[in-house]
Amino acid sequence: NFMLTQPHSVSESPGKTVTISCTRSSGSIDSNYVQWYQQRPGSSPTTLIYEDNQRPSGVPDRFSGSIDSSSNSASLTISGLKAEDEADYYCQSYDSSSHVFGTGTKVTVL
Amino acid sequence: QVQLVQSGAEVKKPGSSVKVSCKASGDTLSSYAISWVRQAPGQGLEWMGGIIPISGTVAYAQKFQGRVTITADKSTSTSYMALTSLTSEDTAMYYCAKMLSGTWFDYWGQGTLVTVSS
Repeated sequence: NFMLTQPHSVSESPGKTVTISCTRSSGSIDSNYVQWYQQRPGSSPTTLIYEDNQRPSGVPDRFSGSIDSSSNSASLTISGLKAEDEADYYCQSYDSSSHVFGTGTKVTVL
Repeated sequence: QVQLVQSGAEVKKPGSSVKVSCKASGDTLSSYAISWVRQAPGQGLEWMGGIIPISGTVAYAQKFQGRVTITADKSTSTSYMALTSLTSEDTAMYYCAKMLSGTWFDYWGQGTLVTVSS
């Protein structure tokens, strides 16, 4: 199995842009789709990005996803940061036998 | 719109077992796969396993092999997750989640808190 490693935390002021990385330990990042989930305290996760860069209906276009094969990582970018974006964020991918979640990143809006 | 409603919180003794249910409404359970994901207090998300009800195919994370059983009752659109030989390390919120395309989780249950304590 592989692991997905994220930074423990990121902080930024309202209106700014933050980018969260998700690095795959083995196997190619582009061999399987990457998803991103937001989890607010006390709530179930919700999907922000699926299939690397697709947004479900209702998710603002402030949220975007990308893949970088050279660093074997995926990224979630949140632009125009709002107070309501303060939450935990998880990437997720899979291989033939299992699904794997990233270690999680806490985003703090200063 | 699919809704997944899970059973209520449980308190269990070490060494015992727990069975959590997840009832789907708004669509038939057999139309898609269901996974179970847990989250220990203050920790991240951990995939436990999943089932494709229409075929009965199940897959489990290696960590839980032999200790977890995931089933589905198509007639009641309900999935179940049973975990045996509980220890304090199994204290966690347990979520069911509907899967789309077998690759991502588009709807989540509200979670079931399982507390293991003597």
